[in-house]
Amino acid sequence: AQTVTQSQPEMSVQEAETVTLSCTYDTSESDYYLFWYKQPPSRQMILVIRQEAYKQQNATENRFSVNFQKAAKSFSLKISDSQLGDAAMYFCAYRFNQAGTALIFGKGTTLSVSS
Amino acid sequence: EAGVAQSPRYKIIEKRQSVAFWCNPISGHATLYWYQQILGQGPKLLIQFQNNGVVDDSQLPKDRFSAERLKGVDSTLKIQPAKLEDSAVYLCASSRWTDFSYEQYFGPGTRLTVT
Repeated sequence: AQTVTQSQPEMSVQEAETVTLSCTYDTSESDYYLFWYKQPPSRQMILVIRQEAYKQQNATENRFSVNFQKAAKSFSLKISDSQLGDAAMYFCAYRFNQAGTALIFGKGTTLSVSS
Repeated sequence: EAGVAQSPRYKIIEKRQSVAFWCNPISGHATLYWYQQILGQGPKLLIQFQNNGVVDDSQLPKDRFSAERLKGVDSTLKIQPAKLEDSAVYLCASSRWTDFSYEQYFGPGTRLTVT
């Protein structure tokens, strides 16, 4: 069975600084997607960034980038130039690459941003 | 494009009572998911529909939980009778079956408190 592990329950960063959130996963599949979702307090979950396992190039979305290490089954999220609005719970998620399959989430990392 | 709608946003009930949640997915999204998110944990899939058929309900406690998606659009999730451990946020998500990225869009969730 696939599992996703986030070993950092809480992280903190100052505005304009860079922070990295860690995620490891376990799967025997070779074709899958990995995601980072953001869940602000009392607000709905939104997709931050996705990575397809077959793509060697790390995904980047503005200030968000990932370090995808397929052999090590590691998928970390780097947030550059942190902003107060980045404060949220961040979830790492896995999905087998087949139409309609559900996401498997980690337990999440709470990120706080201070000014 | 309207997002995933859920109601109610909050519900407080006593144990052994029944409760129902409603979800309206994004128009045109054939796949609908119900996730349970217990405080401090990541969301866990309860049930997944493709149009009005069930794709995966392996983690749904069928002795007390039921769900339906009549006409392949709206969906309801019911708990009867509720237990204290059912206190959680219930998230509804939807996606296009044919969308290669299979991105799931989440609703705001229903926060259930069982006393």
